[in-house]
Amino acid sequence: RKEVEQDPGPFNVPEGATVAFNCTYSNSASQSFFWYRQDCRKEPKLLMSVYSSGNEDGRFTAQLNRASQYISLLIRDSKLSDSATYLCVPLRINTGKLIFGQGTTLQVKP
Amino acid sequence: GAGVSQSPSNKVTEKGKDVELRCDPISGHTALYWYRQSLGQGLEFLIYFQGNSAPDKSGLPSDRFSAERTGGSVSTLTIQRTQQEDSAVYLCASSLAGLAGSETQYFGPGTRLLVL
Repeated sequence: RKEVEQDPGPFNVPEGATVAFNCTYSNSASQSFFWYRQDCRKEPKLLMSVYSSGNEDGRFTAQLNRASQYISLLIRDSKLSDSATYLCVPLRINTGKLIFGQGTTLQVKP
Repeated sequence: GAGVSQSPSNKVTEKGKDVELRCDPISGHTALYWYRQSLGQGLEFLIYFQGNSAPDKSGLPSDRFSAERTGGSVSTLTIQRTQQEDSAVYLCASSLAGLAGSETQYFGPGTRLLVL
């Protein structure tokens, strides 16, 4: 089983839609989690950090369920500029090593 | 302020040649990481530096890969006798202290390596 599993998509949604991505992780020792976004041919950039049960930042909400080893990212009122690949990234404790999934691709259409 | 920088941005080389990739972390960041991203794949961890030492080299794919860091700053990733499967984007990231793994890692723009 992969350490991080994400539905690769692509998710094609109209502007203004609400979309949710799911991510499961297998290493229960992970304590810190991040959502990064990666635009085509660009480096990943941090979107949100998740240390407790969840985090909210404007249109973006991340939720963490440690018992089920599951993280989600909800995007409300999608914008064209939200089109990117979203990477769920648990961090292996005490190593600094980020474990990247393959990401979920989002395409927001006009 | 300056972010993580990497050079060269693109590198085309012939199979069997050696290449050196450079990373300049954010000033003051003691932790430095190298990752690799092959076409259509997720990022793969290669090596982690805390200061000049590398407590975790577990991701280096073979003994053709090596990395060093000097002065707690610049790092060089060297690939000897390059193979076509080494073609990928090599990304460097840095974080402030790398302690307990809770800090944000900031990525550089990457070096796109193509081995012909």
